[in-house]
Amino acid sequence: DAGVTQSPTHLIKTRGQQVTLRCSPISGHKSVSWYQQVLGQGPQFIFQYYEKEERGRGNFPDRFSARQFPNYSSELNVNALLLGDSALYLCASSSNRGTFYEQYFGPGTRLTVT
Amino acid sequence: AQSVTQPDIHITVSEGASLELRCNYSYGATPYLFWYVQSPGQGLQLLLKYFSGDTLVQGIKGFEAEFKRSQSSFNLRKPSVHWSDAAEYFCAVLGGGADGLTFGKGTHLIIQP
Repeated sequence: DAGVTQSPTHLIKTRGQQVTLRCSPISGHKSVSWYQQVLGQGPQFIFQYYEKEERGRGNFPDRFSARQFPNYSSELNVNALLLGDSALYLCASSSNRGTFYEQYFGPGTRLTVT
Repeated sequence: AQSVTQPDIHITVSEGASLELRCNYSYGATPYLFWYVQSPGQGLQLLLKYFSGDTLVQGIKGFEAEFKRSQSSFNLRKPSVHWSDAAEYFCAVLGGGADGLTFGKGTHLIIQP
């Protein structure tokens, strides 16, 4: 079975630009969460989506937005990029059994803002 | 709000020796607790979880963890480490509802030959 997939693997953007990151959950999973992991830190929760609706949001500015599609894949958008947005962005999916508790992570997208 | 503290930033252990990684959490109700491992260039892999019941939980790769409510701890243990265990280890707590996981800052495990 395929795990959580994310694209692209790496990308480099310039301050002020916009970026879109993509995530495909494990087949059958309906919940997707996004995390930001700055170098040397643990991941920080950004968003959780379940059945295409936002179910939770962490302490991130409105420059961060996300959506979930009918096939349960998800996109994370970040506008007006800052140097501090440089990080590993992780996507996690949870099972469709009504529990969000076991989250399975993808390999991440490494974003570098110059 | 919930929080997780991993007091040890780095730990060095000899191959074949036992391992204990510490984790303390802060959460008002019964927590859902997790340990994840992250190898360089990889995502996070779930090692084990605690929801309720037996306070000693078994995970993959020979790891186990013990939940101690009185100490607000959820320490990870392994009786004999292998060189392949070298990685970053994260403890996390789920606060309930639709909140995401709250992670500690991680412990970097180094294995000496």
